[in-house]
Amino acid sequence: GENVEQHPSTLSVQEGDSAVIKCTYSDSASNYFPWYKQELGKRPQLIIDIRSNVGEKKDQRIAVTLNKTAKHFSLHITETQPEDSAVYFCAPKDPNSGGSNYKLTFGKGTLLTVNP
Amino acid sequence: DAGITQSPRHKVTETGTPVTLRCHQTENHRYMYWYRQDPGHGLRLIHYSYGVKDTDKGEVSDGYSVSRSKTEDFLLTLESATSSQTSVYFCATLSAGNTIYFGEGSWLTVV
Repeated sequence: GENVEQHPSTLSVQEGDSAVIKCTYSDSASNYFPWYKQELGKRPQLIIDIRSNVGEKKDQRIAVTLNKTAKHFSLHITETQPEDSAVYFCAPKDPNSGGSNYKLTFGKGTLLTVNP
Repeated sequence: DAGITQSPRHKVTETGTPVTLRCHQTENHRYMYWYRQDPGHGLRLIHYSYGVKDTDKGEVSDGYSVSRSKTEDFLLTLESATSSQTSVYFCATLSAGNTIYFGEGSWLTVV
C-alpha cells in the first residue's frame, strides 16, 4: 500500500506570511494529489487537487505543486489569515487501482496555526 | 457537501457493550470508508467497502466489524467496546472524480 508522510507535523506562522506543507508518497503509480483542510471540530474537506499531467495549480491564495520524479507534492498558502488555521491532510492516490485495492491512505496531518 | 450522514453523532457507552455506528449516503458512491481520528495519529482506516457485501480491512481493524447490505448504508460495529476505542469516527465516500467526502463525525466515549 501507499506510504504517505507529511512535513512538518506542526507549523506556526504570522498572519500575512506564507506556509508550505510537503507530502511524500511511495507509489509511483499515484496520479491524483489532493489536499484536505479540517477546521477544529469539523470534517475534512477538499481544498485543492492536482493531477499528474500538471505541475502546478493555483486557486487564489492556495497552490499545489507536484514533483513526480521525487514523489512529493506541496501545499502553498500565501498571505495567511487566521481562518487558515486548521489541520491539513494529503491523500495521494492511484485512481486506476480498483476493486479490493481501493484503500485511501492519508498523511498524519499538519497543524497550521496562523498568529494574528 | 455530499449527502453523508452519520448516527449517532455523540455517544457514551460502557466498556464491554456493543456499539453500532451508521453511515448513510445519498450519492450512490460505490466506495465507503470508516476512519478513526485520534490526536497525533491523523486519520486511520478501519474498514472500507468497494461494493454491496464487499468489504476489506484497513490498518486498525482489530475489534471492529462492518457490514454493507445496500449501497447507501455502511455500518461499523464495535462488538465489545474498550476504552482504547474512544475516538472520533468519520465515515467517507469516494466520488467518481476521486474526491473524498466525509460525514460530520461521531464522537464515541467508552467509560
